[in-house]
Amino acid sequence: SQQGEEDPQALSIQEGENATMNCSYKTSINNLQWYRQNSGRGLVHLILIRSNEREKHSGRLRVTLDTSKKSSSLLITASRAADTASYFCATDYNTDKLIFGTGTRLQVFP
Amino acid sequence: DAGVIQSPRHEVTEMGQEVTLRCKPISGHNSLFWYRQTMMRGLELLIYFNNNVPIDDSGMPEDRFSAKMPNASFSTLKIQPSEPRDSAVYFCASSAGQGRNQPQHFGDGTRLSIL
Repeated sequence: SQQGEEDPQALSIQEGENATMNCSYKTSINNLQWYRQNSGRGLVHLILIRSNEREKHSGRLRVTLDTSKKSSSLLITASRAADTASYFCATDYNTDKLIFGTGTRLQVFP
Repeated sequence: DAGVIQSPRHEVTEMGQEVTLRCKPISGHNSLFWYRQTMMRGLELLIYFNNNVPIDDSGMPEDRFSAKMPNASFSTLKIQPSEPRDSAVYFCASSAGQGRNQPQHFGDGTRLSIL
């Protein structure tokens, strides 16, 4: 399976703290994407980072990509209770389709 | 703007019955994807279409599953006959262009329970 692995599987933090999630993948990619899934809902796209980019920001989100290590990280700064969700990375492996990772369940306590 | 619309949101039926899941993609999107999500296997791509044409159905588990996209605004995923192991949440997603380098927009899924 080419499915990526995410680490940690679960993360619990207090509001105001930063949350870091990591994603590893297996072969070369054209881009990597991060998605959020709230309980009972569909996935929501957060950020797309291309293979020639090293870092990207969107509001309180920061994504890094290290193609030499085949890994990416998602940092959520100053977390809020509303950030409680599962977070998935997805890679394209130079195709038109995405392979999703196993996800990190983030719990932010008020 | 309307997002991806899936129906029904929940379906409970007995094994052996035919199940049809429906999806309306975002207007103007050229690519449509069907996924299945379970605790054991995570999110799996079943099939995707580009410009209404099936491009890759390698993820369809077996012949009991079929998908169609008769026009740019409608797709169905059919299971016949259904089995308890088909119980899962099925998502439809759409994206612009051919899908490469594009974010995917997901519906809220159909939670399917086969008794």
